[in-house]
Amino acid sequence: AQSVTQPDIHITVSEGASLELRCNYSYGATPYLFWYVQSPGQGLQLLLKYFSGDTLVQGIKGFEAEFKRSQSSFNLRKPSVHWSDAAEYFCAVGDTGRRALTFGSGTRLQVQP
Amino acid sequence: GAVVSQHPSWVICKSGTSVKIECRSLDFQATTMFWYRQFPKQSLMLMATSNEGSKATYEQGVEKDKFLINHASLTLSTLTVTSAHPEDSSFYICSARGVLRILMVNEQFFGPGTRLTVL
Repeated sequence: AQSVTQPDIHITVSEGASLELRCNYSYGATPYLFWYVQSPGQGLQLLLKYFSGDTLVQGIKGFEAEFKRSQSSFNLRKPSVHWSDAAEYFCAVGDTGRRALTFGSGTRLQVQP
Repeated sequence: GAVVSQHPSWVICKSGTSVKIECRSLDFQATTMFWYRQFPKQSLMLMATSNEGSKATYEQGVEKDKFLINHASLTLSTLTVTSAHPEDSSFYICSARGVLRILMVNEQFFGPGTRLTVL
């Protein structure tokens, strides 16, 4: 069965600092990987996705993620965090769209002024 | 494109009543829809998978008689919480997968969620 681990429950960074959110997955074949952001009381917004090809994926809002098969990781990065980035971030894995996604437990990002 | 709506966005009901939540794909046909549940400060947990015209497949531990799912058309799925109790209070999110374009066939598109509060 597929699974996703987000080791960091809560991260606090200063505005303007760089950010890296960790995500490790367990899946037997080539996974489809996603990062979503959720603001309080809101639905999910897709930041970026990886299906195949270039392992460095660019997303919206200045985010990027790198797929590393050898480490089973898909970490999310941003070079300079803005206060508006404060939210909950979820990593998810799927095989194809036929099945539901499996989500990690989420990482809550707090941004200090 | 690929917009999914949910209605209502929030609902408050008395214990023992039933609540229906609609999930619609607005600009594509959704062959499959998924229903998730999210408790406060927790992740999304899959409740069931519904395919148009067939019975929903429920995840282990989800009561199918309590959470009735209907996917009668390619653009609409409904989740009915029957005889709701306070422990059913949660954030319910649907997602839809369709055949919008070849490059999007493996994507799922999420609705904005419905917050249910049972008094």
